[in-house]
Amino acid sequence: DQQVKQNSPSLSVQEGRISILNCDYTNSMFDYFLWYKKYPAEGPTFLISISSIKDKNEDGRFTVFLNKSAKHLSLHIVPSQPGDSAVYFCAASAYDSWGKLQFGAGTQVVVTP
Amino acid sequence: GAGVSQSPSNKVTEKGKDVELRCDPISGHTALYWYRQSLGQGLEFLIYFQGNSAPDKSGLPSDRFSAERTGGSVSTLTIQRTQQEDSAVYLCASSSGDLDAEKQYFGPGTRLTVT
Repeated sequence: DQQVKQNSPSLSVQEGRISILNCDYTNSMFDYFLWYKKYPAEGPTFLISISSIKDKNEDGRFTVFLNKSAKHLSLHIVPSQPGDSAVYFCAASAYDSWGKLQFGAGTQVVVTP
Repeated sequence: GAGVSQSPSNKVTEKGKDVELRCDPISGHTALYWYRQSLGQGLEFLIYFQGNSAPDKSGLPSDRFSAERTGGSVSTLTIQRTQQEDSAVYLCASSSGDLDAEKQYFGPGTRLTVT
């Protein structure tokens, strides 16, 4: 039962343009959402998060948007840089199962010069 | 400050053998998690330790899997009688257990291959 879904396995974007990664979830109990970035042969690293009381959180070039009614969140990277090429995972946790992150399958982003 | 470390980085074992995977969390982190990532899949939660509380084992796929955490620090994940479907990258993470507890810091993982 995949509760967090990333329907785009890959995304190619030109350097300098915007990357938009999408994530959908089914569990209405989720109240905290995170994005992780993963390079090959390394563990995921935390990128940005948002709680369900907000609809937007921004950190430098990264912005996460949350649409609770649609059970959808997105990550915007502006401008995209070659070092952003990685796999991006969306994750969610519910207040009644603290610590148990549910991850999506990931989106491979390739930023081309 | 050292991050989360895991050993070995790679492990090849024969079907039916037992394996032990080790995780050293960030010093001072009270919460420790194990996940696995099978090929083309997202991370799958396995088990979670928080301080001295009983671990949440709800993600362990079978009774062949077990984990312990000694002294509130190092953790070992043991897989008995390994099967080919156990082949995956096993990731350990830790978090501080405070208000930022949802931010989990991951190790590089152990790639397990069962032949």
